Amino acid sequence: SAVISQKPSRDICQRGTSLTIQCQVDSQVTMMFWYRQQPGQSLTLIATANQGSEATYESGFVIDKFPISRPNLTFSTLTVSNMSPEDSSIYLCSVANSNYEQYFGPGTRLTVT
Amino acid sequence: AQSVSQHNHHVILSEAASLELGCNYSYGGTVNLFWYVQYPGQHLQLLLKYFSGDPLVKGIKGFEAEFIKSKFSFNLRKPSVQWSDTAEYFCAVLRGSQGNLIFGKGTKLSVKP
Repeated sequence: SAVISQKPSRDICQRGTSLTIQCQVDSQVTMMFWYRQQPGQSLTLIATANQGSEATYESGFVIDKFPISRPNLTFSTLTVSNMSPEDSSIYLCSVANSNYEQYFGPGTRLTVT
Repeated sequence: AQSVSQHNHHVILSEAASLELGCNYSYGGTVNLFWYVQYPGQHLQLLLKYFSGDPLVKGIKGFEAEFIKSKFSFNLRKPSVQWSDTAEYFCAVLRGSQGNLIFGKGTKLSVKP
């Protein structure tokens, strides 16, 4: 199984600002994803982070709001831009192996005031 | 579009009671199904998965799940729960070849000692 770390683990941000979340994996992986888990809700996929090309966003999520970088097979960043209180959530990075088993990072708990 | 339903929001059991958590999925074709667990303050962890073959799959910590195609169900079971099973449980289905998961809303399990 892959070991995934995320930074920061939590943050409190003011509305209108941006936060970049980092995801580091201990091995090279092809499939990497960013999810959001809002309070009391399930996990929702934001986008698939593609190495060397633009991320693939799900309906309701756009690049201007959630720009993603994936410079190599072990690292990705997600930026939450121009934040509002509705962006308060846990943001999770995950990777999948060739058997489609997904492993999750510890998450970044974001509070927007 | 694929979807996953978990009908129990919060289940409260006493230790040694038997557990069954419901999960229904919407897709009628070939499905790959997962159960994940999130213990308080910890990462999401894979409990078990079904891809093909024996519809009764066994996972970690004494959990098992049965895939019943005719009922579009993949219920999670454990014969005798322990206090340490207190956690949130998520059912998920693999979305085609894209590699990401579609999650149910989760079921919170509280086990009273």
